[in-house]
Amino acid sequence: EVQLVESGGGLVQPGGSLRLSCAASGFTFRTYWMSWVRQAPGKGLEWVANIKEDGSDKYYVDSVKGRFTISRDNAKNSLYLLMNSLRAEDTAVYYCAREIKLGAARPFDYWGQGTLLTVSS
Amino acid sequence: EIVMTQSPATLSLSPGERATLSCRASQSVSSNYLSWYQQKPGQAPRLLIYGASTRATGIPARFSGSGSGTDFTLTISSLQPEDFAVYYCQQDYNFRTFGQGTKVEIK
Repeated sequence: EVQLVESGGGLVQPGGSLRLSCAASGFTFRTYWMSWVRQAPGKGLEWVANIKEDGSDKYYVDSVKGRFTISRDNAKNSLYLLMNSLRAEDTAVYYCAREIKLGAARPFDYWGQGTLLTVSS
Repeated sequence: EIVMTQSPATLSLSPGERATLSCRASQSVSSNYLSWYQQKPGQAPRLLIYGASTRATGIPARFSGSGSGTDFTLTISSLQPEDFAVYYCQQDYNFRTFGQGTKVEIK
C-alpha cells in the first residue's frame, strides 16, 4: 500500500525557517517525481515545487523561488522541503504528492494527509 | 503561468441529479495534461480523471471528463451522497496550476 506521511509542520515566526519531511512507503520511491502542494486555510490548492527521480531537476512556483528548497534522499525514501524567510502567506497545509507518469503527463496519484504550517508572530 | 478558471464556484444540486463542472485554461493545454481531483473536508485530494477523459483506478463510471484546447468539463451523471465535495482541475502542460475549485453542495 502506498503511503506518504508528512511531518515537521508547526508555528513559526515571520522570517523563520522550517523543514518539512515526507516519508514514503509501499512503492519504489526512487522511480517517481515528487511534489509539494499546499492549501491555505479555506482556500484552493497550489503546487509549490517538484523534484525529479534522482534529484537532478527541481522546479518551483514563483512565489517561493529563492526561499524554499526541495530535496530527497532516495536511500531513506524521504522527500523534504526546506523553507526559509517564511511569510504569513506561506501559512497552509502542505501535502506531499507522488507524480505518476501517464504518457507525457504526470498527475498526482497519491497524496499524504498533510502537515500544517502556521507563520505568525 | 497558465491560469485555470473553474465555474461555477458553487453548484447546488440534489442527489441523483447531473453535475456539469467547467474548467477553462488561459492558453491551450494539451488534453493529455488535464486532470481533475475531488477533495472532501479534512481529506487530501483524490485523483479522479487524467488525460482529460481517463478515469483513475477505482473511480466510478458516473464520473466522466471531456474537452480539449482551453475548455474542459467534468460530468457526474447521477450525484451520489458521497460526491458532494470540492472539485479541482489541474494542468501540468507548463509547470502545474490548479483551478480555484467548484464546490458541489446538497440543495
